[in-house]
Amino acid sequence: QAVLTQPSSLSASPGASASLTCTLRSGINVGAYRIYWYQQKPGSPPQYLLRYKSDSDKQQGSGVPSRFSGSKDASANAGTLLISGLQSEDEADYYCMTWHSSSWVFGGGTKLTVL
Amino acid sequence: QLQLQESGPGLVKPSETLSLTCTVSGAGGSISSSSYYWGWIRQSPGEGLEWIGTIYYSGSTYYNPSLKSRVTISVDTSKNQFSLKVSSVTAADTAVYYCARHPTSAGGFYGMDVWGPGTTVTVSS
Repeated sequence: QAVLTQPSSLSASPGASASLTCTLRSGINVGAYRIYWYQQKPGSPPQYLLRYKSDSDKQQGSGVPSRFSGSKDASANAGTLLISGLQSEDEADYYCMTWHSSSWVFGGGTKLTVL
Repeated sequence: QLQLQESGPGLVKPSETLSLTCTVSGAGGSISSSSYYWGWIRQSPGEGLEWIGTIYYSGSTYYNPSLKSRVTISVDTSKNQFSLKVSSVTAADTAVYYCARHPTSAGGFYGMDVWGPGTTVTVSS
């Protein structure tokens, strides 16, 4: 079982909010981990959005709008990227990442469609 | 503005060694800065994003255990570059290879915050 699992796709309407989840493997407690989020558009490298461990341990990427925010759902053992006020340019692939067992590990990515 | 640029052959034969270099330039781009580590990541359709390894200007290296036996990362502070070598390549090493910057943290380094544009490497005879 993968360390980080993301739904393969998600659709949402312009102006709405989208919540992208990154579920940690059973036995790995999300509370102990910093979760990183990246946005990738076709033909471009991943762009750093933010990292989130707790409200006191978080960082927004340089120039990243505040409508991108991170959180955790302890009951689901997951990290969450919330995008509010969706815009057409938010359509992209989104990847989560964390440091686990001496390696950076990535989720499989979620393709967000804004329609 | 910080820029990272990957360079190297786009085609490598099976069983040979893949070699890439990342040149760092612009503001906040000194490889010798104690504020940053420097890493390599690859992305293939089949495997998604995969961290390869990371280096500090002092030469300290951190490798993905799954690739460690075939990977060497080195740094050349005089040229403001760091390099990647992957030996005994197969078709499974075909990917887009990215270099990236990691900010230093207490006790280590954070995840990548700036990435190069990437370079495609194909392993084929």
